[in-house]
Amino acid sequence: AQKVTQAQTEISVVEKEDVTLDCVYETRDTTYYLFWYKQPPSGELVFLIRRNSFDEQNEISGRYSWNFQKSTSSFNFTITASQVVDSAVYFCALSEAGTASKLTFGTGTRLQVTL
Amino acid sequence: GAVVSQHPSWVICKSGTSVKIECRSLDFQATTMFWYRQFPKQSLMLMATSNEGSKATYEQGVEKDKFLINHASLTLSTLTVTSAHPEDSSFYICSASSTSGFQETQYFGPGTRLLVL
Repeated sequence: AQKVTQAQTEISVVEKEDVTLDCVYETRDTTYYLFWYKQPPSGELVFLIRRNSFDEQNEISGRYSWNFQKSTSSFNFTITASQVVDSAVYFCALSEAGTASKLTFGTGTRLQVTL
Repeated sequence: GAVVSQHPSWVICKSGTSVKIECRSLDFQATTMFWYRQFPKQSLMLMATSNEGSKATYEQGVEKDKFLINHASLTLSTLTVTSAHPEDSSFYICSASSTSGFQETQYFGPGTRLLVL
């Protein structure tokens, strides 16, 4: 069975601080995908990144960066110089490879960025 | 690209009535759509997988006779909550699966908040 653990329930930072959201996953599959989604107060889930299990290269997109380490089954997400607009719930998710695969979500981390 | 819409965004109904929620992929065709439910301050729980032209696959514990899913076209799936009760009040979110090359991503609709009185 697949499982995603986001141990941090809530994080509060002051604007411009860097913050890292942790994600640890469990799967028996050798091929799988990892995702991060952002859920602002409006409720809509916004896709941030997809990473397949064979690509361990870290990725940077603006202030966002992701660190995928297969050895520790972790896919952590860092926001650099956080802003108030980053306040949201962030979900890490896992799916097996293949078409139209189900997503297994973590419990989410609520990030609050204050001035 | 990859926009998914849901309608309605809010619905309030009396106990015992049925409510239909629509999920549309606006700029791509989605063979598969997914329906999730999210209770306050909780994660998303998959309810069912909807495949165009065939019966939906329900997750364990989800009553298929209560949550009717129809996926009549490659751009539309509907979820009908039959005989809704207050415990069905929740945030219902659909997603549509889009394939780009060999990679696939689920894109989510904005969600529907259901309140059953």
